[in-house]
Amino acid sequence: AQSVTQLGSHVSVSEGALVLLRCNYSSSVPPYLFWYVQYPNQGLQLLLKYTSAATLVKGINGFEAEFKKSETSFHLTKPSAHMSDAAEYFCAVSEGGGSNYKLTFGKGTLLTVNP
Amino acid sequence: DGGITQSPKYLFRKEGQNVTLSCEQNLNHDAMYWYRQDPGQGLRLIYYSQIVNDFQKGDIAEGYSVSREKKESFPLTVTSAQKNPTAFYLCASRLGGNTGELFFGEGSRLTVL
Repeated sequence: AQSVTQLGSHVSVSEGALVLLRCNYSSSVPPYLFWYVQYPNQGLQLLLKYTSAATLVKGINGFEAEFKKSETSFHLTKPSAHMSDAAEYFCAVSEGGGSNYKLTFGKGTLLTVNP
Repeated sequence: DGGITQSPKYLFRKEGQNVTLSCEQNLNHDAMYWYRQDPGQGLRLIYYSQIVNDFQKGDIAEGYSVSREKKESFPLTVTSAQKNPTAFYLCASRLGGNTGELFFGEGSRLTVL
């Protein structure tokens, strides 16, 4: 079974600072990878996804992530944090295929943006 | 607008009662999923279904049941056998095939008193 590790359950940055949220996965076979964002009491919204095309993936709201096979990582970055980026972020990895296709999620990283 | 509708948004029940959470999608997606979210534990998969009249257990299926009688509907029943039912429940759907992201509903928060 796949596993996803998000380093740091809580990350705090100042407005305008770089955002870096870390994600490592366990698979030896490159899977599909995803980052989602969740605002309080809401569902998850897709930020970006890696599906074996370009290793640097650009998403919504200025976020991007780089797939590094050698490091089994898919870290999320944003050059300049905005107050509206404060939310919980989840990394997910695909597992199985066909009738068994599913996503396994990390435990999440809560991002706080300080003025 | 196409999307996933979960109801109710908030639900309170007494211990020992069964509860059914509704999930409807009008995206014409083949696959549907139920996840449970607890603080600090991320999302854990309860059940999923790729086609009508077929579904698979996820990692934490005990104490839950589902049905998939229609493509657009995937209700989840939290039974009295579920030891810790209080949680935020998220339904999701996916177009189908061997790839693709999940699209999520707004969630249902169940509190068992």
